[in-house]
This record gives sequence, structure tokens and C-alpha cells, in this order.
Amino acid sequence: AQSVAQPEDQVNVAEGNPLTVKCTYSVSGNPYLFWYVQYPNRGLQFLLKYITGDNLVKGSYGFEAEFNKSQTSFHLKKPSALVSDSALYFCAVRDPSNSGNTPLVFGKGTRLSVIA
Amino acid sequence: DAGVTQSPTHLIKTRGQHVTLRCSPISGHKSVSWYQQVLGQGPQFIFQYYEKEERGRGNFPDRFSARQFPNYSSELNVNALLLGDSALYLCASRPGTQVYYEQYFGPGTRLTVT
Repeated sequence: AQSVAQPEDQVNVAEGNPLTVKCTYSVSGNPYLFWYVQYPNRGLQFLLKYITGDNLVKGSYGFEAEFNKSQTSFHLKKPSALVSDSALYFCAVRDPSNSGNTPLVFGKGTRLSVIA
Repeated sequence: DAGVTQSPTHLIKTRGQHVTLRCSPISGHKSVSWYQQVLGQGPQFIFQYYEKEERGRGNFPDRFSARQFPNYSSELNVNALLLGDSALYLCASRPGTQVYYEQYFGPGTRLTVT
């Protein structure tokens, strides 16, 4: 069964500094990986996904993520953090071995706090 | 275009009662999934529907049921509510069931069971 680990409950970064939110995964086949962000009292917003191809994926709001198959990681990055990036971030994986019927499996989430 | 909509926004119920949550997907999206998000945790998969057929079920008791209508909207029903059912219930839609499709989430329904 697939699983996702987000090892940090909280990440603090100063505004303007680069940020990284970590994610590792476990899946039997080639993974489909996703990042979502959740603002208070809101649903999840899609940021980016890795399906195949280039290991560096660019997404919304200046975020990018790097897929590393040997380390089974898919870390979320941004070169320069904004206070408005403060939110809860979720990594998710889908195992494609069951066609499209396999649901997204989410990590526990990482709370990002960007300090002005 | 309107995103995924859910109703109601908030709901307070008593243990043992029944609740129905509703979801309207993005126009053109035929697949709807339901997730439960308990405070401090990531969303947990409950159901997936596509073209009115159940395509997947998570590890939830039979008190949880769902259905999808011809217009692709969906309902999630929970019977005999327990305190532990208190959570944010999220609905998500995507165009089809291809694995590369991302899901688009609604704002959720906050259910409180007292």
C-alpha cells in the first residue's frame, strides 16, 4: 500500500529566504505525486504534480518540487518565501497500478510559517 | 467557472443522528471523491464515484454511504453519528479517473458531533 511521510510538523522561515517542505513516499510502482496547500477554513488547493518526465516540476505561486526516485522524495521548494505562503501543506501520492481507482493518499501535513 | 461547491458549510449534530452532506463538482467533471479530515491530520479517503458507480471505498464503517446523481453531484450520508465523526468533510472532483488527473477540492463541510 502506498504511503506518504512529511517528517516536519512545522517549518519556520524568514520572508525572502528559500523554503523547503519535505516529503517522502512509498509506493509499489512509479508514483504520481501531488502537493496541495490549505489555508484556514478552506479546502485544499492544487499546487503541482509529478507524473513523468523532468524531475523538477513547476507549479502555482512560484512553487516547484523535485522528484528524486533514489531517495523516494518529492520536496516542495520556493526560492523566496512570502508571508502569504503561510499555510498547511500536504503531499499526496497515487499508485497507478490500479488504473484511476486508486485514491490519493495524503501525508499528515506541514505547517509553514513565514515570518516578516 | 465555479469550483467544487459543498453544503452545508457547518453542521452540528447529536450522537446517534444521521447527516447528509452534498457536493456539486466542477462542470464537466464526472468523478467525485469524499475525504474526511480530522484536526491535525491529512485527508483520509472515504469514497470515489464515477458515472454514478462506486469505484473505491476507504476503510470506513458501513455507517458511511454515498451516491452520485445523473448530474454528477454527490451525497455523503453518515448514520448513527459518533463523537469521532467530527471532522472536515471534503469533496473533490476531477474530469475522469485517469491517474494523472489532479483533484479539485471544495471548501468542505465542518461537522461537529456533540
